[in-house]
Amino acid sequence: QVQLVQSGSEVKKPGSSVKVSCKASGGTFSSYTLIWVRQAPGQGLEWMGRIIPILDVANSAQKFQGRVTITADKSTSTAYLELTSLRSDDTAVYYCAHLWLGYFDYWGQGTLVTVSS
Amino acid sequence: EIVLTQSPVTLSLSPGERATLSCRASQSVSSYLAWYQQKPGQAPRLLIYDASNRATGIPARFSGSGSGTDFTLTISSLEPEDFAVYYCQQRSNWYSFGQGTKLEIK
Repeated sequence: QVQLVQSGSEVKKPGSSVKVSCKASGGTFSSYTLIWVRQAPGQGLEWMGRIIPILDVANSAQKFQGRVTITADKSTSTAYLELTSLRSDDTAVYYCAHLWLGYFDYWGQGTLVTVSS
Repeated sequence: EIVLTQSPVTLSLSPGERATLSCRASQSVSSYLAWYQQKPGQAPRLLIYDASNRATGIPARFSGSGSGTDFTLTISSLEPEDFAVYYCQQRSNWYSFGQGTKLEIK
């Protein structure tokens, strides 16, 4: 069973960057595909991107291209999401999840990122 | 981008009643559709995948149907713990979610 533990809440200024981590355990990290999804307050779910550590391949949704970097450290079984040029509408809970057959079967607990001056 | 539209936005029912939630895709997604349940302060939980398959540990009162562009999640007899927000998600062309249906107690 995959377990995903994310880093803690962050408060950031507009224009700055944030890096959220997602540490995996259970199974073989290199064989995972991990995805990132965010949820603004009171809103729905939005897919941001994915990483396939064994291939060192990352993809992001078109909306976030140029602002999102997704990486993975196989030595620590940790995936990272970095979002730059933060705006107030980036305030959200950011989730990592494990991809299985194209669906998200295990989720991290979420990381609240608040963007405020 | 494939847009998923869920209806209704809010559904008010009583425990023991049957719930029917809909998800319509802007183009065919074949059977590549999932349903999730999300409770306040929690991450989503996978309920149904590939339109009609229950995920591990999901009670039999949850069922899914449909293909192409029209899909349905049915909860046969509502339990108190079923009141939550439900999302559909497609994997046919990258990934996208519907906007959610809130199932509330009447």
